[in-house]
Amino acid sequence: NAGVTQTPKFQVLKTGQSMTLQCAQDMNHNSMYWYRQDPGMGLRLIYYSASEGTTDKGEVPNGYNVSRLNKREFSLRLESAAPSQTSVYFCASRTDSNYGYTFGSGTRLTVV
Amino acid sequence: GESVGLHLPTLSVQEGDNSIINCAYSNSASDYFIWYKQESGKGPQFIIDIRSNMDKRQGQRVTVLLNKTVKHLSLQIAATQPGDSAVYFCAENSKTSGSRLTFGEGTQLTVNP
Repeated sequence: NAGVTQTPKFQVLKTGQSMTLQCAQDMNHNSMYWYRQDPGMGLRLIYYSASEGTTDKGEVPNGYNVSRLNKREFSLRLESAAPSQTSVYFCASRTDSNYGYTFGSGTRLTVV
Repeated sequence: GESVGLHLPTLSVQEGDNSIINCAYSNSASDYFIWYKQESGKGPQFIIDIRSNMDKRQGQRVTVLLNKTVKHLSLQIAATQPGDSAVYFCAENSKTSGSRLTFGEGTQLTVNP
């Protein structure tokens, strides 16, 4: 039981490049989330998917897109990376509102 | 250029002491609360949770206290160990926020040997 798996763990992009961060969970959770965490700051919600087939914007969605490919997978895409998107990205999942999130180990992204 | 980040609240304790980390929340409709621990370079890990129909819950070396009157949550760690050094986040859930948790800013706990 791997929990929440994120790939890649590290990535360096040049400004303007695009990439997709992958996230998969094997716990049959309904809801999935993408957060970013900047130094000395808390977690900020980018996008979430309350159930398969739905996605919604969070607190900081600009510059990102998401796809809930199926119940297991929720990807985050940066179409044109900017230095302001340098951050650590966490994916999380949850079965329902009576339980907490399970987090992945994060993707450390640097945009130069 | 330079980037300036916010400084997390910090708590420094001696090994073996008890630690108390506090969290205030604002939503009176919040009905479920969680504490997470985040070690350097890792994702947040669940420590303990509590529902709004309780005011205290105990785990292994950890206790969460909930005071709904003043909207305050605390995490007590008994006999703090160096391995407890991490950032601790509280999170809350309410029916108005749907499936989303709202996270606090975090507290950096440092345990001195």
